[in-house]
Parts: sequence; structure tokens; C-alpha cells
Amino acid sequence: RKEVEQDPGPFNVPEGATVAFNCTYSNSASQSFFWYRQDCRKEPKLLMSVYSSGNEDGRFTAQLNRASQYISLLIRDSKLSDSATYLCVVPRDDKIIFGKGTRLHILP
Amino acid sequence: EADIYQTPRYLVIGTGKKITLECSQTMGHDKMYWYQQDPGMELHLIHYSYGVNSTEKGDLSSESTVSRIRTEHFPLTLESARPSHTSQYLCASSEGGFTEAFFGQGTRLTVV
Repeated sequence: RKEVEQDPGPFNVPEGATVAFNCTYSNSASQSFFWYRQDCRKEPKLLMSVYSSGNEDGRFTAQLNRASQYISLLIRDSKLSDSATYLCVVPRDDKIIFGKGTRLHILP
Repeated sequence: EADIYQTPRYLVIGTGKKITLECSQTMGHDKMYWYQQDPGMELHLIHYSYGVNSTEKGDLSSESTVSRIRTEHFPLTLESARPSHTSQYLCASSEGGFTEAFFGQGTRLTVV
């Protein structure tokens, strides 16, 4: 099992819809998790941190399921500007390991 | 805005040349990282550092080398550039492995 696995997509979603994607991780000792957003040809930027069961910020909700070892990202009322690649990050031994990312396309 | 800077932003260079990609941060972070990313592909960790005089190889083998003589500076060097080195190189820093990583804008390298 890879350390961090994500569904690569792409997810093609109409504007206004709700979309969710998951990230599974192999290290059961991981304590903190992050979702980053990367726009085309740009650097990744932090979207949300997840330290306990979950986190919510406006239209974005991140949830952690330790028993099944996955984190999810839910985007409500999606906007065209949400089109990007969403990267799951699970730190390991002080290294920051990225998943392959999930591509999201919001359709007008 | 993150205070981490990479230069140059774009570099086109001939095969066999020696190049150094610069990365500097003013946040006082001990941990710094270099990632390599091809277009549309995943980020691969190629080097990281826990602090001054500490450097480690990442999960992806790379012919590049790094140094960490000062906390704020983490340059990456290719002794002899080849077309296979063409890629985007992203530098990042963090207070620790379990905290947010801040990225520079990247260097897009093309070796012809």
C-alpha cells in the first residue's frame, strides 16, 4: 500500500454541486494531515489542516477517519475558481509527503 | 504571503552546464525541502534538511546535490545538466514536519 493514495480524477462537476474526494494513508501513527491546492503551473498552497476529527472553513470541510485511515475533503456550492488539483499531505518522520493529487474541473 | 523565494523563475541552459537553483526563506524555519514536479504529475521529494549542516536525500533519486550552510539558504546544484533534468523544482520550508509547508514559486528548468 502506498503511503498516500488519492483518486487522480479528473472530477468534472457542474458549478454549484457538492464534490468530495478521499485520501488514504498507510501510517497509522500519523497525527496531522493537510489538504493543499495547486493551480496549473503554480506552487501548492495550504487549504486546510486536519489535526483531530475534522475541520471546516466556509464551503470546505475536511474529515479524518482514523479507524479506516483516510481523510476526505468536501466542497459545497462549488465555484469555477475551485478548479485545481487538490493534494493530500501526510507528514512522515518530519518529511512532508504529497499524494498524487486529485484534479477537479468545475463546469459552467 | 510566504517569505520564501526561488531564483531564477525560468532557466534554459545547454547540456553539460553546471547550474545552481537558489532558495531562501526569511521565516527562520529549520526544515527545508526540494521537490521535483513534471507538468501534470505528482510532487517528488528529492532533498530535505533539518537545519544547518543537515541534508538528506528524499524518496526520489536525483543527481542534484544540496547544501545548508545557513538557516535561510538551501541551494540545489546540478554539476552537469542533461535534458532529463528538465522539470519544475519547488523549494519549501516549515517549522517542523507536522506543520504547514510554505512553497516558493518554483524554478522551471529546461535543458536543451
